[in-house]
Amino acid sequence: DIQMTQSPSSVSASVGDRVTITCRASQGISTWLAWYQQKPGKAPKLLIYAASSLQSGVPSRFSGSGSGTDFTLTISSLQPEDFATYYCQQANSFPFTFGPGTKVDIK
Amino acid sequence: EVQLVESGGGLIQPGGSLRLSCAASGFSVSNNYMNWVRQAPGKGLEWVSVIYSGGTTYYADSVKGRFTISRDSSKNTLYLQMNSLRAEDTAVYYCARRGDGGRSIDYWGQGTLVTVSS
Repeated sequence: DIQMTQSPSSVSASVGDRVTITCRASQGISTWLAWYQQKPGKAPKLLIYAASSLQSGVPSRFSGSGSGTDFTLTISSLQPEDFATYYCQQANSFPFTFGPGTKVDIK
Repeated sequence: EVQLVESGGGLIQPGGSLRLSCAASGFSVSNNYMNWVRQAPGKGLEWVSVIYSGGTTYYADSVKGRFTISRDSSKNTLYLQMNSLRAEDTAVYYCARRGDGGRSIDYWGQGTLVTVSS
Protein backbone atom coordinates (compact mmCIF):
# COMPACT_ATOMS: atom_id res chain seq x y z
CA ASP A 1 0.00 0.00 0.00
CA ILE A 2 1.06 3.58 -0.60
CA GLN A 3 1.60 5.48 2.64
CA MET A 4 0.81 9.19 2.80
CA THR A 5 2.39 11.58 5.28
CA GLN A 6 1.58 15.21 5.92
CA SER A 7 3.48 18.00 7.60
CA PRO A 8 2.99 19.78 9.79
CA SER A 9 0.35 17.88 11.76
CA SER A 10 -0.98 21.20 12.97
CA VAL A 11 -0.30 24.87 12.32
CA SER A 12 -1.39 27.99 14.12
CA ALA A 13 -1.84 30.95 11.84
CA SER A 14 -3.50 34.34 11.65
CA VAL A 15 -5.98 35.72 9.16
CA GLY A 16 -4.05 36.92 6.14
CA ASP A 17 -1.14 34.52 6.62
CA ARG A 18 0.20 32.32 3.87
CA VAL A 19 -0.04 28.67 4.86
CA THR A 20 1.69 25.75 3.16
CA ILE A 21 0.96 22.09 3.87
CA THR A 22 3.12 19.30 2.54
CA CYS A 23 2.05 15.79 1.57
CA ARG A 24 4.46 13.00 0.70
CA ALA A 25 3.72 9.62 -0.86
CA SER A 26 5.80 6.53 -0.11
CA GLN A 27 6.11 5.88 -3.84
CA GLY A 28 5.46 7.84 -7.00
CA ILE A 29 1.83 8.63 -7.73
CA SER A 30 2.24 10.95 -10.74
CA THR A 31 -0.36 13.66 -10.15
CA TRP A 32 -3.05 11.39 -8.74
CA LEU A 33 -3.50 13.48 -5.63
CA ALA A 34 -6.44 15.36 -4.15
CA TRP A 35 -6.78 17.77 -1.24
CA TYR A 36 -9.85 17.99 0.99
CA GLN A 37 -10.96 20.39 3.70
CA GLN A 38 -12.99 19.16 6.65
CA LYS A 39 -14.66 21.18 9.36
CA PRO A 40 -15.84 19.62 12.65
CA GLY A 41 -18.97 17.52 12.26
CA LYS A 42 -19.04 18.00 8.50
CA ALA A 43 -18.18 15.89 5.48
CA PRO A 44 -14.93 16.63 3.67
CA LYS A 45 -14.96 19.07 0.77
CA LEU A 46 -12.85 18.70 -2.37
CA LEU A 47 -10.44 21.59 -2.93
CA ILE A 48 -7.84 20.38 -5.43
CA TYR A 49 -7.77 17.38 -7.78
CA ALA A 50 -5.04 16.02 -10.02
CA ALA A 51 -2.50 17.73 -7.73
CA SER A 52 -3.04 21.26 -9.05
CA SER A 53 -6.55 21.64 -10.51
CA LEU A 54 -8.89 23.85 -8.52
CA GLN A 55 -12.33 22.35 -7.95
CA SER A 56 -15.19 24.48 -9.23
CA GLY A 57 -16.39 26.98 -6.66
CA VAL A 58 -13.25 26.84 -4.51
CA PRO A 59 -11.61 30.23 -3.89
CA SER A 60 -8.47 30.95 -5.88
CA ARG A 61 -6.46 31.51 -2.68
CA PHE A 62 -6.15 27.71 -2.59
CA SER A 63 -3.55 26.18 -4.87
CA GLY A 64 -1.82 22.85 -5.22
CA SER A 65 1.42 21.71 -6.77
CA GLY A 66 3.71 18.73 -7.08
CA SER A 67 4.08 15.41 -8.79
CA GLY A 68 5.67 12.07 -8.09
CA THR A 69 6.04 11.88 -4.33
CA ASP A 70 5.98 15.46 -3.05
CA PHE A 71 2.99 17.78 -3.04
CA THR A 72 1.94 21.04 -1.46
CA LEU A 73 -1.29 22.82 -0.69
CA THR A 74 -0.99 26.57 -0.29
CA ILE A 75 -3.51 29.01 1.11
CA SER A 76 -2.25 32.38 -0.05
CA SER A 77 -4.14 34.54 2.45
CA LEU A 78 -5.87 32.66 5.25
CA GLN A 79 -9.51 33.60 5.82
CA PRO A 80 -11.62 32.93 8.95
CA GLU A 81 -13.57 30.20 7.14
CA ASP A 82 -10.35 28.32 6.30
CA PHE A 83 -9.71 27.13 9.85
CA ALA A 84 -10.21 23.40 9.40
CA THR A 85 -8.37 20.11 8.92
CA TYR A 86 -6.86 19.36 5.53
CA TYR A 87 -6.27 15.90 4.08
CA CYS A 88 -4.43 14.70 1.01
CA GLN A 89 -5.44 11.48 -0.74
CA GLN A 90 -3.61 9.45 -3.36
CA ALA A 91 -5.62 7.95 -6.19
CA ASN A 92 -2.81 6.18 -8.03
CA SER A 93 -3.52 2.68 -6.76
CA PHE A 94 -5.81 0.87 -4.35
CA PRO A 95 -6.30 1.34 -1.50
CA PHE A 96 -6.75 5.08 -2.08
CA THR A 97 -5.04 6.16 1.12
CA PHE A 98 -5.45 9.47 2.90
CA GLY A 99 -2.82 11.42 4.76
CA PRO A 100 -3.25 11.82 8.54
CA GLY A 101 -4.45 15.40 8.24
CA THR A 102 -3.18 18.88 9.06
CA LYS A 103 -5.19 21.01 11.45
CA VAL A 104 -5.10 24.74 10.79
CA ASP A 105 -6.18 26.72 13.80
CA ILE A 106 -6.23 30.29 14.97
CA LYS A 107 -3.03 31.76 16.36
CA GLU B 1 -28.60 19.04 -7.55
CA VAL B 2 -26.45 16.13 -6.44
CA GLN B 3 -27.39 14.72 -3.04
CA LEU B 4 -26.26 11.67 -1.08
CA VAL B 5 -28.16 10.60 2.03
CA GLU B 6 -26.84 7.75 4.15
CA SER B 7 -28.89 5.67 6.58
CA GLY B 8 -28.67 2.42 8.49
CA GLY B 9 -26.09 3.26 11.11
CA GLY B 10 -26.53 2.49 14.78
CA LEU B 11 -25.28 0.50 17.74
CA ILE B 12 -24.36 -3.11 17.00
CA GLN B 13 -22.62 -5.79 19.02
CA PRO B 14 -19.25 -7.19 17.98
CA GLY B 15 -19.69 -9.98 15.46
CA GLY B 16 -22.97 -8.54 14.23
CA SER B 17 -24.04 -7.33 10.80
CA LEU B 18 -25.38 -4.05 9.49
CA ARG B 19 -26.31 -2.73 6.07
CA LEU B 20 -25.77 0.90 5.23
CA SER B 21 -27.73 2.60 2.46
CA CYS B 22 -26.96 5.73 0.47
CA ALA B 23 -29.81 7.22 -1.52
CA ALA B 24 -28.58 9.35 -4.39
CA SER B 25 -30.35 12.05 -6.33
CA GLY B 26 -29.32 14.31 -9.18
CA PHE B 27 -27.24 11.64 -10.89
CA SER B 28 -27.12 7.89 -11.57
CA VAL B 29 -25.31 5.69 -9.05
CA SER B 30 -24.88 3.03 -11.73
CA ASN B 31 -23.10 5.37 -14.13
CA ASN B 32 -20.57 6.60 -11.58
CA TYR B 33 -17.78 5.27 -9.43
CA MET B 34 -19.15 5.20 -5.87
CA ASN B 35 -17.14 4.98 -2.67
CA TRP B 36 -17.51 4.40 1.04
CA VAL B 37 -15.09 6.30 3.28
CA ARG B 38 -15.09 6.12 7.07
CA GLN B 39 -13.78 8.19 9.95
CA ALA B 40 -13.32 6.82 13.45
CA PRO B 41 -14.18 9.28 16.24
CA GLY B 42 -11.48 11.93 16.45
CA LYS B 43 -9.41 10.24 13.75
CA GLY B 44 -8.60 10.74 10.08
CA LEU B 45 -10.29 9.54 6.93
CA GLU B 46 -10.03 5.93 5.75
CA TRP B 47 -11.09 4.83 2.29
CA VAL B 48 -13.18 1.63 2.57
CA SER B 49 -14.49 0.51 -0.80
CA VAL B 50 -15.41 1.49 -4.36
CA ILE B 51 -17.72 0.11 -7.01
CA TYR B 52 -17.06 1.04 -10.61
CA SER B 53 -19.79 1.74 -13.13
CA GLY B 54 -18.98 -1.61 -14.72
CA GLY B 55 -19.45 -3.38 -11.40
CA THR B 56 -15.82 -4.00 -10.42
CA THR B 57 -15.24 -3.59 -6.69
CA TYR B 58 -12.22 -2.92 -4.49
CA TYR B 59 -11.83 -2.97 -0.71
CA ALA B 60 -9.42 -1.81 1.94
CA ASP B 61 -7.51 -4.71 3.47
CA SER B 62 -9.09 -3.93 6.85
CA VAL B 63 -12.57 -4.83 5.58
CA LYS B 64 -11.87 -7.30 2.78
CA GLY B 65 -13.91 -10.46 3.19
CA ARG B 66 -16.25 -8.83 5.71
CA PHE B 67 -17.79 -5.89 3.84
CA THR B 68 -19.58 -5.93 0.48
CA ILE B 69 -20.40 -2.89 -1.63
CA SER B 70 -23.35 -3.04 -4.02
CA ARG B 71 -25.94 -0.87 -5.70
CA ASP B 72 -29.55 -0.97 -6.87
CA SER B 73 -30.06 1.02 -10.05
CA SER B 74 -33.85 0.92 -9.74
CA LYS B 75 -33.60 2.66 -6.37
CA ASN B 76 -30.52 4.70 -7.29
CA THR B 77 -29.02 3.55 -4.02
CA LEU B 78 -25.59 2.40 -2.89
CA TYR B 79 -25.15 -0.15 -0.11
CA LEU B 80 -22.48 -1.40 2.23
CA GLN B 81 -23.12 -4.77 3.84
CA MET B 82 -20.95 -5.08 6.93
CA ASN B 83 -20.51 -8.49 8.57
CA SER B 84 -18.38 -9.73 11.46
CA LEU B 85 -18.19 -6.23 12.85
CA ARG B 86 -15.38 -5.30 15.23
CA ALA B 87 -14.90 -2.46 17.68
CA GLU B 88 -12.39 -0.91 15.29
CA ASP B 89 -15.14 -0.56 12.66
CA THR B 90 -16.75 2.12 14.82
CA ALA B 91 -16.84 5.24 12.66
CA VAL B 92 -18.88 7.68 10.67
CA TYR B 93 -19.40 6.14 7.25
CA TYR B 94 -19.61 8.47 4.27
CA CYS B 95 -21.00 7.65 0.87
CA ALA B 96 -19.08 9.53 -1.80
CA ARG B 97 -19.09 9.97 -5.55
CA ARG B 98 -15.95 10.05 -7.63
CA GLY B 99 -15.90 13.08 -9.85
CA ASP B 100 -14.59 13.49 -13.36
CA GLY B 101 -11.29 15.02 -12.31
CA GLY B 102 -8.26 13.10 -11.15
CA ARG B 103 -10.16 10.22 -9.52
CA SER B 104 -11.07 12.53 -6.65
CA ILE B 105 -14.31 12.55 -4.64
CA ASP B 106 -16.48 15.51 -5.55
CA TYR B 107 -19.64 14.81 -3.54
CA TRP B 108 -20.02 13.39 -0.05
CA GLY B 109 -23.03 12.43 2.03
CA GLN B 110 -23.51 13.71 5.57
CA GLY B 111 -22.39 10.40 7.06
CA THR B 112 -23.97 7.77 9.29
CA LEU B 113 -22.47 6.65 12.60
CA VAL B 114 -21.81 2.98 13.24
CA THR B 115 -20.91 2.03 16.80
CA VAL B 116 -19.71 -1.50 17.49
CA SER B 117 -19.87 -2.19 21.19
CA SER B 118 -21.24 -4.69 23.67
